[in-house]
Amino acid sequence: DSGVTQTPKHLITATGQRVTLRCSPRSGDLSVYWYQQSLDQGLQFLIHYYNGEERAKGNILERFSAQQFPDLHSELNLSSLELGDSALYFCASSVGTSVADEQFFGPGTRLTVL
Amino acid sequence: DAKTTQPPSMDCAEGRAANLPCNHSTISGNEYVYWYRQIHSQGPQYIIHGLKNNETNEMASLIITEDRKSSTLILPHATLRDTAVYYCIVRVVGWGKFQFGAGTQVVVTP
Repeated sequence: DSGVTQTPKHLITATGQRVTLRCSPRSGDLSVYWYQQSLDQGLQFLIHYYNGEERAKGNILERFSAQQFPDLHSELNLSSLELGDSALYFCASSVGTSVADEQFFGPGTRLTVL
Repeated sequence: DAKTTQPPSMDCAEGRAANLPCNHSTISGNEYVYWYRQIHSQGPQYIIHGLKNNETNEMASLIITEDRKSSTLILPHATLRDTAVYYCIVRVVGWGKFQFGAGTQVVVTP
């Protein structure tokens, strides 16, 4: 158990819908990262937040957005969903960005878009 | 981040040491080498990381060549539960994202 929690574990929805994925980092971690893992793309970095502020963006679509709240949990919002958005979405957390710290990954949310 | 090259797959007998190579010939002086593994759709699990010295922890050892252009992850006594995809990643300290490649699928057989 990494200490990072993600909800829900599974999500099934239809095209065009909007969903929210939630992540709670390990106690004391200020950084949260989101990754997408689909069968044909592997693990792709989406976005990084540190203490409530966006720090880096990766291959995140404009239909996707994220935020980190004052209690440090984070949410990833996916809208206008398409079939190709079906994937595993992982959240990871780390202490911060100023040391050689490792990222601890949550168990993931499996999103299926029908 | 520097790119890494890993063999797509390798087999290992249970109880034997597993040596996983990684080539990172374009690594910069301030880039660390990280190893993660992913067991069948679970979240990736941190194994070890290092800069230029060899490192050891309870899970594995990391051997980095003197020129830092390659490294080897050693699982000293592989078990069936070590069957996973192993990712070698290099990144600059302080930069948030990890850039995962295809990794090496390791299968430990009885």
